[in-house]
Amino acid sequence: GENVEQHPSTLSVQEGDSAVIKCTYSDSASNYFPWYKQELGKRPQLIIDIRSNVGEKKDQRIAVTLNKTAKHFSLHITETQPEDSAVYFCATIAGTYKYIFGTGTRLKVLA
Amino acid sequence: SAVISQKPSRDICQRGTSLTIQCQVDSQVTMMFWYRQQPGQSLTLIATANQGSEATYESGFVIDKFPISRPNLTFSTLTVSNMSPEDSSIYLCSVVYNYGYTFGSGTRLTVV
Repeated sequence: GENVEQHPSTLSVQEGDSAVIKCTYSDSASNYFPWYKQELGKRPQLIIDIRSNVGEKKDQRIAVTLNKTAKHFSLHITETQPEDSAVYFCATIAGTYKYIFGTGTRLKVLA
Repeated sequence: SAVISQKPSRDICQRGTSLTIQCQVDSQVTMMFWYRQQPGQSLTLIATANQGSEATYESGFVIDKFPISRPNLTFSTLTVSNMSPEDSSIYLCSVVYNYGYTFGSGTRLTVV
């Protein structure tokens, strides 16, 4: 079945630096790649997504890149701030609307 | 996006008992999903609930343990039956809205 690997599991960066989280998937039919942010004690929230017909999407300080040939996609956060500290999950769709989530990355932004 | 009301937000239950979690959506949706998130872990799909049909369970989850109801297009319940400490987790419902998932606020369950 579909599998999503996410790296790193933890990431610490200095405030103002960039953070990059990478996910690799196995199903070549995957065509939608969202990223979720989960703050402590809260529900996961969609922060950005990309469809398979584009290679990059940007929204202010966050961007997602997709390499369909290599089957990986990445989340890029620039100019990190303390409020970016959270757990980030990537996901892909396996079958109709059934998401497969990555294992998560705990990002700590050090002030 | 869709707004989901999930309750209870948390509960502490005795082993051997059952807990029913409710999710109410402010718009009609075809599919609702139930996820489990164990402490410090990712989200694992328990089942997909469609209105008017039996829920579809993922490997490792069975209807006797996690019965689901979906009486209409805005409401669903998940019951955690005959609970053991291993069932302590966060349970989340979710719906597809404009392709993306929206999650309920979660139910933090502790079994003692």
